[in-house]
Amino acid sequence: AQRVTQPEKLLSVFKGAPVELKCNYSYSGSPELFWYVQYSRQRLQLLLRHISRESIKGFTADLNKGETSFHLKKPFAQEEDSAMYYCALCNFGNEKLTFGTGTRLTIIP
Amino acid sequence: KAGVTQTPRYLIKTRGQQVTLSCSPISGHRSVSWYQQTPGQGLQFLFEYFSETQRNKGNFPGRFSGRQFSNSRSEMNVSTLELGDSALYLCASSTTRAAGTGELFFGEGSRLTVL
Repeated sequence: AQRVTQPEKLLSVFKGAPVELKCNYSYSGSPELFWYVQYSRQRLQLLLRHISRESIKGFTADLNKGETSFHLKKPFAQEEDSAMYYCALCNFGNEKLTFGTGTRLTIIP
Repeated sequence: KAGVTQTPRYLIKTRGQQVTLSCSPISGHRSVSWYQQTPGQGLQFLFEYFSETQRNKGNFPGRFSGRQFSNSRSEMNVSTLELGDSALYLCASSTTRAAGTGELFFGEGSRLTVL
């Protein structure tokens, strides 16, 4: 069964410091991975997806198949990055999307 | 385009009652999926519909059911409510046949409180 683990429920980082939100997955095939974000009083929305290989709002995420990880990184945190972040995995076999339990990121001014 | 619309936004029920939640997807989106969001469990997948057919179902008891209409609007129903059903229920729509393979557009959710 596929599983997504976000080991940190809460993460606090000073403004200007680097950010890394961890995401590990268990899945035997080739997954499609996503990061979704929910800012305060806004809807949950897609931040980025592995297949696009884009940098969105300064965030990047690299798929490491050896470590089965898809960590989200940003070199310099900004106050507006404070939000709830969810990692998600799509199983191409059954096309189900599985979310992690989320990490609440707080940027300290 | 209007976003995903969920009604009602808030509701309070008592144990044993049943509830129906509604979701109107973005115009042109034929895929609708439902999630239960709780602080401890994050987002848990309930079910997914495309063109009125249930494509996938999560690991929830049979008290949880859903359907999709020909206009792509979807409803979910929870019967014999339990205290543990208190949660935010999120609906998402997508342009892809399989919701998980594309970008999901979420509604604001229906917050259910069971007393």
